Parts: sequence; C-alpha cells; structure tokens
Amino acid sequence: DAGITQSPRHKVTETGTPVTLRCHQTENHRYMYWYRQDPGHGLRLIHYSYGVKDTDKGEVSDGYSVSRSKTEDFLLTLESATSSQTSVYFCAISERLSSYNEQFFGPGTRLTVL
Amino acid sequence: GQQVMQIPQYQHVQEGEDFTTYCNSSTTLSNIQWYKQRPGGHPVFLIQLVKSGEVKKQKRLTFQFGEAKKNSSLHITATQTTDVGTYFCAGTTSGTYKYIFGTGTRLKVLA
Repeated sequence: DAGITQSPRHKVTETGTPVTLRCHQTENHRYMYWYRQDPGHGLRLIHYSYGVKDTDKGEVSDGYSVSRSKTEDFLLTLESATSSQTSVYFCAISERLSSYNEQFFGPGTRLTVL
Repeated sequence: GQQVMQIPQYQHVQEGEDFTTYCNSSTTLSNIQWYKQRPGGHPVFLIQLVKSGEVKKQKRLTFQFGEAKKNSSLHITATQTTDVGTYFCAGTTSGTYKYIFGTGTRLKVLA
C-alpha cells in the first residue's frame, strides 16, 4: 500500500463544532483529493490539490475548506459541522506519469456529527 | 455538471456465474478508471482505460471502453467469493485532474 495515513480514524462530534481531518503522505505525490462516501452516492469529490497551496473545489465543496501548506499534508476542515456531514471521508493521492494517474486511497475517517 | 451513472446498484450471483457492471457518462471522457472496495476497506485501483474501444484483461476480469468514450464495462467470468465487494468506475475529462466516481455496483457472491 502507498504511504498514506488519515487521522483521526474515527471521530464523534456535535453540530456546530469545527472539525479538521488530516491526510499525510510519504510518497511525494503532487495530487491529493478528499472524497466523502455515503450509501447510494458512491464517492464524491469535495476538494482536491494539484500542488502546495493550489487547491480547487469538487462536486460537494459547500461547508468544507482545505489547506495544503506542505506536499505531504492535506487538511480538510468543517468550519461548523452539521449532521449531513456524517460520512466516511477518504483521502487519495496520485502522481501523473505520462497518462497514467492511479489514485491511492487512505484507510478513511468515519465522522459522526450528532 | 458531469455525471457518471453505474448499473446495477446491487448484484447477487452464485459462485461460478458471470457478472457485468456498466458505467455511463454524460460527457466524453479522456480516460476511465476502475476500483474495487472490499467491505470495510478503501477503494483499490484495478485498471485505467484511455483509448476509444480499448479492451483490457486481468485474469478473469475484462474491461472495455466504449467507442465514443462515454461508457465502460467490467465483466468478471466465473465469479469467486474473493470477488465480493463494490466496484466503482471513475471518469475524468480533458484538462482536469478531477475524477467523478460512479455510484458503484455491490457484488455479492453466494457459495
């Protein structure tokens, strides 16, 4: 498996509190992604990064912000958590080698917002 | 916006039967990837298709990319219990590194 970790792995929080999820990689890959996975919706892209301090929105970015100050870390912040943000969050990394850019996924973070 | 639909949502098969999942995009794709996620696990990359009409095989798995590069399929021959999981397609369009995932097909194999 690629060197990618997520922390925390599980978190329970209350509505209205801020939450930050961390994705850390040791592969020096350029691209990093945050997805959420919900039953019936598959994986939906929240935000992604194509370099340090370079980020862009995905399909479901409302209520989320990201930061990438170092190649190895990509942070996802829920400024004020809501129950609709209860989900499993996956981080992924990839590196563009010609036209081949396989995504490697982290183990996921299960977030429950009460 | 770009949408990727995947059917069926669920499939139960007897061990030894074949299985196919289909992926359809609302827009032309530059390439498509397939992933497998075991229950409780994370998605794992299977393959990437780039060329129109491309067919690739991995042992019992056959992947196809449509001529118009808007659809794809994954076919498993003679399923085994180890094939259990959810299969996702993920497509991207030219000029972007964003991948849009299909909703997935959950495969259950009955021994």
